[in-house]
Amino acid sequence: LAKTTQPISMDSYEGQEVNITCSHNNIATNDYITWYQQFPSQGPRFIIQGYKTKVTNEVASLFIPADRKSSTLSLPRVSLSDTAVYYCLVGPLSGGYNKLIFGAGTRLAVHP
Amino acid sequence: SQTIHQWPATLVQPVGSPLSLECTVEGTSNPNLYWYRQAAGRGLQLLFYSVGIGQISSEVPQNLSASRPQDRQFILSSKKLLLSDSGFYLCAWSVQSQPQHFGDGTRLSIL
Repeated sequence: LAKTTQPISMDSYEGQEVNITCSHNNIATNDYITWYQQFPSQGPRFIIQGYKTKVTNEVASLFIPADRKSSTLSLPRVSLSDTAVYYCLVGPLSGGYNKLIFGAGTRLAVHP
Repeated sequence: SQTIHQWPATLVQPVGSPLSLECTVEGTSNPNLYWYRQAAGRGLQLLFYSVGIGQISSEVPQNLSASRPQDRQFILSSKKLLLSDSGFYLCAWSVQSQPQHFGDGTRLSIL
């Protein structure tokens, strides 16, 4: 099972770009990398998913190097409402449902 | 579009009482369904998942059970709650190769 390692917490200020890196040294060939955002007393919300290189959507970018042993979630110009816990998950998309492991996540605090 | 509903949002139960939490999904067919528990300040722990009606896989031995009586309905139950069953319970769904989508959870407090 691919385990992930993320920083416990990060601080930023409004308008800055935030990069959260996740290490997954044991990632398997059929594993994808998925990031979720969670606010207090709410379920995690899907942010972005990728397999290799770079993926971008309307809220974030995901950078994955060629060896896929790490990934970086990039949040451009954060606002106070981006204060949340961010989870990095590694696992296959089909089958192996029990292989998605949620760690403690990274607690991002955005300051005015 | 697909939506997921969990209820109740909060629940306070005495030790030894039964439990039934319900989760329903709308707008999709034959989803994979999941029950997670989250302790305060921790990540999510997968409890059960289901790939179809009546098909339940358990991830951890515990005081809880799950059932899937209908395609888009997933129920988490207990006959006798323990103090250690307190937590934030989340239901999620996914289809084929798409990521999981979560409900807003039930906060369960055991007294």
